[in-house]
Amino acid sequence: QSVLTQPPSVSGTPVQRVVISCSGSSSNIGSNTVNWYQQFPGTAPKLLTHTNNQRASGVPDRFSASKSGTSASLAINGLQSEDEAHYYCATWDDTLNGQLFGGGTKLTVL
Amino acid sequence: QLHLQESGPGLVKPSETLSLTCTVSGDSLTTNTHYWAWIRQPPGRGLEWLGSMYFSGTSYYNPSLKSRLAISIDTSTNQFSLRLSSVTAADTAVYFCARWKPYDGRIFDMWGQGTMVTVSS
Repeated sequence: QSVLTQPPSVSGTPVQRVVISCSGSSSNIGSNTVNWYQQFPGTAPKLLTHTNNQRASGVPDRFSASKSGTSASLAINGLQSEDEAHYYCATWDDTLNGQLFGGGTKLTVL
Repeated sequence: QLHLQESGPGLVKPSETLSLTCTVSGDSLTTNTHYWAWIRQPPGRGLEWLGSMYFSGTSYYNPSLKSRLAISIDTSTNQFSLRLSSVTAADTAVYFCARWKPYDGRIFDMWGQGTMVTVSS
């Protein structure tokens, strides 16, 4: 069970907006920046957003991320079928002195 | 263009040592803002960070694996390696190597394609 808590799954229809949450604590999200990764089956994860709310190069502006206190979220506006993937939040933990990943959220586009 | 490629045995026996190598092209392992990392993903499960190393030897390890894990860097071949000792079935996973930028949002910005390692007799 991951220290960073994400919902196992979320779903939405095309054009809808979905939000994926990531809950942590003061030693990780509360004191460090959050990054999000997108992973398609059988491939390596790809950096989606970084430093809480910055989109990585080439990422559509439909994707936006934010952080507040000990939680972070990834919002996807105007859902498209090609957004169907797993999404992982990630941050540093000062107590563990190491990198943490959330458990991952599978996004299904209905 | 940066490329990372993992290589190593796909099958390891229980209690033995898992050894993998990541060959990096398009960047130098001695670049002063980059660390080099290993991350794994058991089948059907999430990502687990194993450790990150700087070419000088400075390293960070996952505390839960630290006693069994060693990462090393060979600047002459531009490769870095992972050794995980006393493996069990729980170490069966896809192993990814990645570039880590600790001073740039602590991002893993480039990844290898991953290599599947199965622990079984």
